[in-house]
Amino acid sequence: EVQLVESGGGLVQPGGSLRLSCAASGFTFSSYWMSWVRQAPGKGLEWVANIKQDGSEKYYVDSVKGRFTISRDNAKNSLYLQMNSLRAEDTAVYYCARLERGSWYSNWGQGTLVTVSS
Amino acid sequence: SYVLTQPPSVSVAPGQTARITCGGNNIGSKSVHWYQQKPGQAPVLVVYDDSDRPSGIPERFSGSNSGNTATLTISRVEAGDEADYYCQVWDSSSDQGVFGGGTKLTVL
Repeated sequence: EVQLVESGGGLVQPGGSLRLSCAASGFTFSSYWMSWVRQAPGKGLEWVANIKQDGSEKYYVDSVKGRFTISRDNAKNSLYLQMNSLRAEDTAVYYCARLERGSWYSNWGQGTLVTVSS
Repeated sequence: SYVLTQPPSVSVAPGQTARITCGGNNIGSKSVHWYQQKPGQAPVLVVYDDSDRPSGIPERFSGSNSGNTATLTISRVEAGDEADYYCQVWDSSSDQGVFGGGTKLTVL
């Protein structure tokens, strides 16, 4: 069974940093593109970042470029999102998702809540 | 960037058919995927590649895509289908996933 378990969310002040983690199991992690998708309170889904199987390609939504960094450790079956210079508008539930055939998100974690507030 | 437009809400009586649309410029040339999200839960894929269903998704869920509109159809709607539904495509020009704004399905 595919499982994605996020951790690392919490309350952080504007300008602060946070690192999210996603532990993957039940599939060959190194064979898949992975993504972070977020959802602000009461709002819709927003793609945040993607990373290729070997980490050689990374893509970001414009609003986080230069502030967020996606990475992975295939030996640990883990996906990460380093978030710096956080803003109030980054407040959201962050989901880790497995990207299937470079097109759709076949599996999602339960999400971790990030709150940026003073 | 590519934009997907969904109606904010759709209402349907139990046992009837719900149709949720997703509009986009020449969306028929893209593969469209649909997710169901119930309150407090993560999204669940219900249709991929326009009309395919993942294992475990009831046959009542189907999809179509042509021209500028993709449609998720839910037949014989049940109370448990009440949820938010999101369409999604992959924008290859910018290598990013694009989601519609979501549609709240209310079962009357």
